[in-house]
Amino acid sequence: DAKTTQPTSMDCAEGRAANLPCNHSTISGNEYVYWYRQIHSQGPQYIIHGLKNNETNEMASLIITEDRKSSTLILPHATLRDTAVYYCIVYIASNTGKLIFGQGTTLQVKP
Amino acid sequence: EAGVVQSPRYKIIEKKQPVAFWCNPISGHNTLYWYLQNLGQGPELLIRYENEEAVDDSQLPKDRFSAERLKGVDSTLKIQPAELGDSAVYLCASSPGLADTDTQYFGPGTRLTVL
Repeated sequence: DAKTTQPTSMDCAEGRAANLPCNHSTISGNEYVYWYRQIHSQGPQYIIHGLKNNETNEMASLIITEDRKSSTLILPHATLRDTAVYYCIVYIASNTGKLIFGQGTTLQVKP
Repeated sequence: EAGVVQSPRYKIIEKKQPVAFWCNPISGHNTLYWYLQNLGQGPELLIRYENEEAVDDSQLPKDRFSAERLKGVDSTLKIQPAELGDSAVYLCASSPGLADTDTQYFGPGTRLTVL
């Protein structure tokens, strides 16, 4: 079973920031928070991951709460091409080595 | 840098026929994964290789599914015979094989339709 909880769907206006929340209250101390997205008919695409500190790359920012029980993925300026299913996953390669995908959040970016 | 390559992208077969999927991982990636994705669901791991060794095949239905990764590079997943319920997307992923932050990168998948 997935160890994360995400809203089923969200809408965002084009050009605005998209903030996607994720709850992972049972996360272990050495597990990372990973975000992937899946655009229709494509394979999952890696976005970003983090352990404790906030992270930023060219695609997004990841904000992890101090207690690590939740996180938020931020797409700073959403475009129509960001419409996808976004998966939040807690993962450590040295454990099972497999990503456990939940239902994810379907983000619809609207003009 | 080339990503994970999979072929074919689409395959339509009749039930009871065999089918094979091919995956070429990112160069230098030691770990290779096959995932199954049913419609409307997230991907689920079928098998994980570290180099040539299958280190986790607990979710692979071994009565009809088989996989190999000769020489520790590309891999083939086979179904024989295919059943109607095998219609799904078969995804291949690879990762460098690091300790904890071993990010997996996915290919585009093969969409299988069994008639």
